[in-house]
Amino acid sequence: RKEVEQDPGPFNVPEGATVAFNCTYSNSASQSFFWYRQDCRKEPKLLMSVYSSGNEDGRFTAQLNRASQYISLLIRDSKLSDSATYLCGLYSSASKIIFGSGTRLSIRP
Amino acid sequence: GAGVSQSPSNKVTEKGKDVELRCDPISGHTALYWYRQRLGQGLEFLIYFQGNSAPDKSGLPSDRFSAERTGESVSTLTIQRTQQEDSAVYLCASSLWGTPNTDTQYFGPGTRLTVL
Repeated sequence: RKEVEQDPGPFNVPEGATVAFNCTYSNSASQSFFWYRQDCRKEPKLLMSVYSSGNEDGRFTAQLNRASQYISLLIRDSKLSDSATYLCGLYSSASKIIFGSGTRLSIRP
Repeated sequence: GAGVSQSPSNKVTEKGKDVELRCDPISGHTALYWYRQRLGQGLEFLIYFQGNSAPDKSGLPSDRFSAERTGESVSTLTIQRTQQEDSAVYLCASSLWGTPNTDTQYFGPGTRLTVL
């Protein structure tokens, strides 16, 4: 089993919709989690850090479920500009972040 | 302020040649990371530098790969005798302290390597 797994998508949703996707992890000792956004042919940029049960920033909400070992990302009132690949990452050991393969999101007009 | 910079942005080389990729981290950042991203894939950890500590090389895929860092500044990733499977985007990231619970990694724009 991979240390971090994501549904590759693509998720194709209309503008204004709410969309959510999950990231599962295998190391129950993991403490710090991240969602990065990556636009096509660009570098990843941090969207949100999750150190406890969750985090919220505007239209974006991240939730951590330690019992089931997954983190979710919820995007409300989606915009065309939200179209991107969303990478889930966690600190595996020491200071090494392990990333999932990413979930592709496409918002249509 | 200046972010993480990488050079070259694109590199095309012939199989068997050596290549050197450069990363300039954000000034003051003590931790530096290299990742590889193949087309349509996630980020694959390669190597991590933290201050003067011995680097974590656990992600280097073979002995053809090596990396150096001068103090807390520039890092170079060298790939010897390149193979076609080395074709990927090589991303560098830096963070202030490299401490898991409080740090954020900032990525450079990457070097797109194509091995013919």
